[in-house]
Amino acid sequence: AQKVTQAQTEISVVEKEDVTLDCVYETRDTTYYLFWYKQPPSGELVFLIRRNSFDEQNEISGRYSWNFQKSTSSFNFTITASQVVDSAVYFCALNSLRNFGNEKLTFGTGTRLTIIP
Amino acid sequence: EPEVTQTPSHQVTQMGQEVILRCVPISNHLYFYWYRQILGQKVEFLVSFYNNEISEKSEIFDDQFSVERPDGSNFTLKIRSTKLEDSAMYFCASSHTTSGGFDEQFFGPGTRLTVL
Repeated sequence: AQKVTQAQTEISVVEKEDVTLDCVYETRDTTYYLFWYKQPPSGELVFLIRRNSFDEQNEISGRYSWNFQKSTSSFNFTITASQVVDSAVYFCALNSLRNFGNEKLTFGTGTRLTIIP
Repeated sequence: EPEVTQTPSHQVTQMGQEVILRCVPISNHLYFYWYRQILGQKVEFLVSFYNNEISEKSEIFDDQFSVERPDGSNFTLKIRSTKLEDSAMYFCASSHTTSGGFDEQFFGPGTRLTVL
């Protein structure tokens, strides 16, 4: 069975602070992908990043960075110099190679991030 | 930029009524999905669809649910007899993936279903 745990239910930080959102996953599969999605108050799901299980390089995209550590089964997401527009619910998700490209996403419970002006 | 669209954005129905939620996936995508998010909870997989048949479905996707691709562009989710607990946001998603890769799933804006 696959499982994604986001232990932080809610986080509040003051604007311009850095914040890290934790994600721990469980899977028996050796080939899998990890994702982060953002859900702003308007409700849609916005894709942020995809990372495969063979690529442990950290990734940076502007103020966003991701730290993938297979040894601890974690895929953490850091926002530097946070802005009010970053306020949203962030979901970590997992899928794994099972049906040759038709893989369901298993989502975590999400972390609600509030940036205080 | 191509996007997944869903209609209606909000549907209110009486318990026991049938509802059909509609989605138009991105045109060159081959895999289609429905997910559900009960208010304040996580997003849950319902069903995936490829080559005009269901590929996988979750325990949630019981006999009350069905999916269809009635033409080359629409992908629908039908709930035959709605229950109060079906109230949720329903997301449609699609992905390209022809060779076993992991193209990201693009999500529609969701349909909020309220069952009274």
